[in-house]
Amino acid sequence: EPEVTQTPSHQVTQMGQEVILRCVPISNHLYFYWYRQILGQKVEFLVSFYNNEISEKSEIFDDQFSVERPDGSNFTLKIRSTKLEDSAMYFCASRAGGGRETQYFGPGTRLLVL
Amino acid sequence: AQSVTQLGSHVSVSEGALVLLRCNYSSSVPPYLFWYVQYPNQGLQLLLKYTTGATLVKGINGFEAEFKKSETSFHLTKPSAHMSDAAEYFCAVTGGTAGGGNKLTFGTGTQLKVEL
Repeated sequence: EPEVTQTPSHQVTQMGQEVILRCVPISNHLYFYWYRQILGQKVEFLVSFYNNEISEKSEIFDDQFSVERPDGSNFTLKIRSTKLEDSAMYFCASRAGGGRETQYFGPGTRLLVL
Repeated sequence: AQSVTQLGSHVSVSEGALVLLRCNYSSSVPPYLFWYVQYPNQGLQLLLKYTTGATLVKGINGFEAEFKKSETSFHLTKPSAHMSDAAEYFCAVTGGTAGGGNKLTFGTGTQLKVEL
């Protein structure tokens, strides 16, 4: 069964450093999402992406964040200058579209900013 | 705008007992509703969803949920709990066909503990 994959599974970085989280959505899916879950809190929407552009973003998704689909398979989230409060589990999700509403989630990347 | 309230951050049941996890939603448009399960150190797995049609939906692992528009609820049930059901359960809502990018809005989650 097709699945969303994410790399790395864990990343430790120093405050102020740039990180890139990578996702491979399910092939032929058209909509892509990033969510995050701070430890002990609920899953929060960050951004949605369709047709090579951002379709919606949350207040959390400020200028430090960017997303890109550099090729036909990868979908990346970049945090330009990490802060302590960026420490969280980041989930990528994809959706087929065309009336199929289920978002399929990857296993997540646990980011720790020191 | 949508929001989700999950009553009870922790629920404990005995093995074989009924599981009931509560979810109430708020939505300005007809909602699509989802239940996801998260096992320790894993991602989110879809249990079941309601979009349109039959209001009682069945999912994986014996779970089911009923959409009640009048009560703005989408409670998750399972007749008989198994030890393997211990996990965190998230209710989520999206704005259906009016939702644009269809972002999911999640509740705060309910940790289910199953005891012998």
